[in-house]
Amino acid sequence: DTEVTQTPKHLVMGMTNKKSLKCEQHMGHRAMYWYKQKAKKPPELMFVYSYEKLSINESVPSRFSPECPNSSLLNLHLHALQPEDSALYLCASSQDLAGGFQETQYFGPGTRLLVL
Amino acid sequence: AQSVTQPDIHITVSEGASLELRCNYSYGATPYLFWYVQSPGQGLQLLLKYFSGDTLVQGIKGFEAEFKRSQSSFNLRKPSVHWSDAAEYFCAVVGNRGADGLTFGKGTHLIIQP
Repeated sequence: DTEVTQTPKHLVMGMTNKKSLKCEQHMGHRAMYWYKQKAKKPPELMFVYSYEKLSINESVPSRFSPECPNSSLLNLHLHALQPEDSALYLCASSQDLAGGFQETQYFGPGTRLLVL
Repeated sequence: AQSVTQPDIHITVSEGASLELRCNYSYGATPYLFWYVQSPGQGLQLLLKYFSGDTLVQGIKGFEAEFKRSQSSFNLRKPSVHWSDAAEYFCAVVGNRGADGLTFGKGTHLIIQP
């Protein structure tokens, strides 16, 4: 089973709202990722969690706040977003092997976010 | 820093014809390379990957790719395309910072003509 689930599938929010995106995997992966994908563009990395600790933050604005409450869950808390933050938000997970070796990242279906 | 170039933004192929999508990478060490496919409004599905070993790798849905170090290329091929192959295809490379993000090419949009 290589499934990563994301909820909600669609989200519409105003610029003053607070909302959260949720990602879940039960593959025993210890690395989880958030990517942002604008229309007709490739995904861009936002955050990486390794063993529930934030290991990479690609200079993302503080209105995006990630959280990894346990090894299966990854949240992205949203507050005071701008219309230009409208995009498809993709979650992925992978094994996190020692020694810097890489493993395949498996993606969820994404949450399509519209900020009004 | 690593980078990926997909020189073809759009490719149109007739159903049943062969397909080759180009990918060139720039990376200082042995690259870890991937091809993903994305249907409209969907997440990314892994087609195949290259980590080491045999330079011709087989993937799902009848796709294969060949790693050529001398040309810094990792081109995706399929001998006979189906209408359901119409999608966006991304080539990607991953760095070596431990768990690291993928760096994607800009993608190639595949159109299948009947």
